Amino acid sequence: DIVMTQSPFSLAVSEGEMVTINCKSSQSLLSSGNQKNYLAWYQQKPGQSPKLLIYYASTRQSGVPDRFIGSGSGTDFTLTISDVQAEDLADYYCLQHYSYPLTFGSGTKLEIK
Amino acid sequence: EVQLVESGGGLVQPGRSLKLSCAASGFTFSNYYMAWVRQAPTKGLEWVASITNSGGSTYYRDSVKGRFTISRDNAKSTLYLQMDSLRSEDTATYYCTRVRTPFDYWGQGVMVTVSS
Repeated sequence: DIVMTQSPFSLAVSEGEMVTINCKSSQSLLSSGNQKNYLAWYQQKPGQSPKLLIYYASTRQSGVPDRFIGSGSGTDFTLTISDVQAEDLADYYCLQHYSYPLTFGSGTKLEIK
Repeated sequence: EVQLVESGGGLVQPGRSLKLSCAASGFTFSNYYMAWVRQAPTKGLEWVASITNSGGSTYYRDSVKGRFTISRDNAKSTLYLQMDSLRSEDTATYYCTRVRTPFDYWGQGVMVTVSS
């Protein structure tokens, strides 16, 4: 199974600041066939279902603000949120869909000071 | 508008069975793989099972293999999860998801509590 190691567990920032969340996979998520990284990022606000933010490591889902940026390749990935807003209060998860069983990171709780 | 509406959750004793349903609308259901993802109280997300668009192939996490069965009825645009031999560790909110890059739409979730 591919293990997804996500960090930090939690972080607290003020509005307008930038945050980075990291995700490391135990195996490469890069497909040699199409050169795509099978890594997605999700946002889960309190009491809500998860929402897809980023797929293929760096492609923003339609409607997602451009302050959410995904980067990385192979085994190391980052979600950057620039100019954090109060509405970004949520848990964030990475997910590998390179191979079964699909596995999520343990999550990062973002708090707003 | 894509909608996924789960039903069938509730309180069940250990060892008993429960069947979840997910009614899909707003897209051509038969064109998409579908999946179930769960979240235990105050815990993270966990993939449970996936099914191809035709229903011809299914995939499960090890901890539910042999106990859970994912299926679909494309004529009814409905996804199912038959859960047998339930255990306390199956207690969670179960989400129905559409598989595209990979889970682009999620239902509101349905709670399953396994307790005596």
